[in-house]
Amino acid sequence: DTGVSQDPRHKITKRGQNVTFRCDPISEHNRLYWYRQTLGQGPEFLTYFQNEAQLEKSRLLSDRFSAERPKGSFSTLEIQRTEQGDSAMYLCASSDRTKGSPLHFGNGTRLTVT
Amino acid sequence: SQQGEEDPQALSIQEGENATMNCSYKTSINNLQWYRQNSGRGLVHLILIRSNEREKHSGRLRVTLDTSKKSSSLLITASRAADTASYFCATTSGGGADGLTFGKGTHLIIQP
Repeated sequence: DTGVSQDPRHKITKRGQNVTFRCDPISEHNRLYWYRQTLGQGPEFLTYFQNEAQLEKSRLLSDRFSAERPKGSFSTLEIQRTEQGDSAMYLCASSDRTKGSPLHFGNGTRLTVT
Repeated sequence: SQQGEEDPQALSIQEGENATMNCSYKTSINNLQWYRQNSGRGLVHLILIRSNEREKHSGRLRVTLDTSKKSSSLLITASRAADTASYFCATTSGGGADGLTFGKGTHLIIQP
């Protein structure tokens, strides 16, 4: 069990550019979650996959955001035409059982949009 | 929107003292979880308490749940410098939403 890994750890981009983050969950976990966290706040739910199916999306996930989990393993989160308000920590988490199971988080990707 | 609200927002105590953090939530829940986050890192699950449980222990942690008041508390006994972190409560509801809903957290500082 190597834990949830996220890449990159930090990303600095200019406004208007596209960025893509990757998350590798714990291998036997079929559920994968993306959260966004701004300074001084708790994580906010963005989206959730069960295997390769994206089952839920938050209203926070605007049209500029897209997430995929093509083979039910790793996942990517892409932000198109980044805005300064997108600056945040993007956290990925996975779990292996039913709704409400404890989540295993990665260390996040910190995005800074200049 | 954030379901849980932790209180206090910040807490500073001396090493060896006990630390108590509270969480209030708004809607009915299936369970409530507490997580710890060290600066710049991901969250680590500490303890889960189900809606039909009133108290749970894990090492130096004690969690209580009062569903009538929609509140929970986390007690850390005999605090250590390594306990310095932010602590979040998170809930799952009985509705269709699957993701955990987190509060804003309590930032705990243990003075050596």
